[in-house]
Amino acid sequence: DAGVIQSPRHEVTEMGQEVTLRCKPISGHNSLFWYRQTMMRGLELLIYFNNNVPIDDSGMPEDRFSAKMPNASFSTLKIQPSEPRDSAVYFCASSSPEAQGRYSNQPQHFGDGTRLSIL
Amino acid sequence: AQKVTQAQTEISVVEKEDVTLDCVYETRDTTYYLFWYKQPPSGELVFLIRRNSFDEQNEISGRYSWNFQKSTSSFNFTITASQVVDSAVYFCALSEGGTGRRALTFGSGTRLQVQP
Repeated sequence: DAGVIQSPRHEVTEMGQEVTLRCKPISGHNSLFWYRQTMMRGLELLIYFNNNVPIDDSGMPEDRFSAKMPNASFSTLKIQPSEPRDSAVYFCASSSPEAQGRYSNQPQHFGDGTRLSIL
Repeated sequence: AQKVTQAQTEISVVEKEDVTLDCVYETRDTTYYLFWYKQPPSGELVFLIRRNSFDEQNEISGRYSWNFQKSTSSFNFTITASQVVDSAVYFCALSEGGTGRRALTFGSGTRLQVQP
């Protein structure tokens, strides 16, 4: 089975340019998460969706960042305009629907990440 | 607020040694989930285990074992007879249970170097 697919794997662009990162979650998964990994801040949540609806965007740094999930099989994270401090590895993760059990929280499965460098 | 602390920044062992990675967490939730992820040098994040707050049974999977103790808010990970392929950064993570927030709060990670 295909895992979470992210594109591009690497992106190098100049400050001020628009950057769009893409994610295809695992088929059947209904939750999608965007995380960012930096040396200074480690792994931190940017935003997550449940059934294509944004649930928590408290980690989105500022208005320059936006995320969409137009359907269950695709999400984008856009940075406009990009700045050097946005350089990081961006991970997308997805998880399957909650099980029937009373307390369930399915594991998140991560894509390979997009390594973004803003010059 | 939730917090995960991995006090060991880096550990270096020689192959075949046993090694324990520590994880201490803070949460006000009565139901929560704990996870371990592995990040090898290639960079991807690999899920290893999930444990919910109502299940304090220790778990063993091959050379890996996990010790969950609510009394000390710890969820430690032991690798027995370490191998070079175990070299990676290991992250402990926490999320809310019930109807709470599903996002993971990660620790800062422990880099494990296994020398041949």
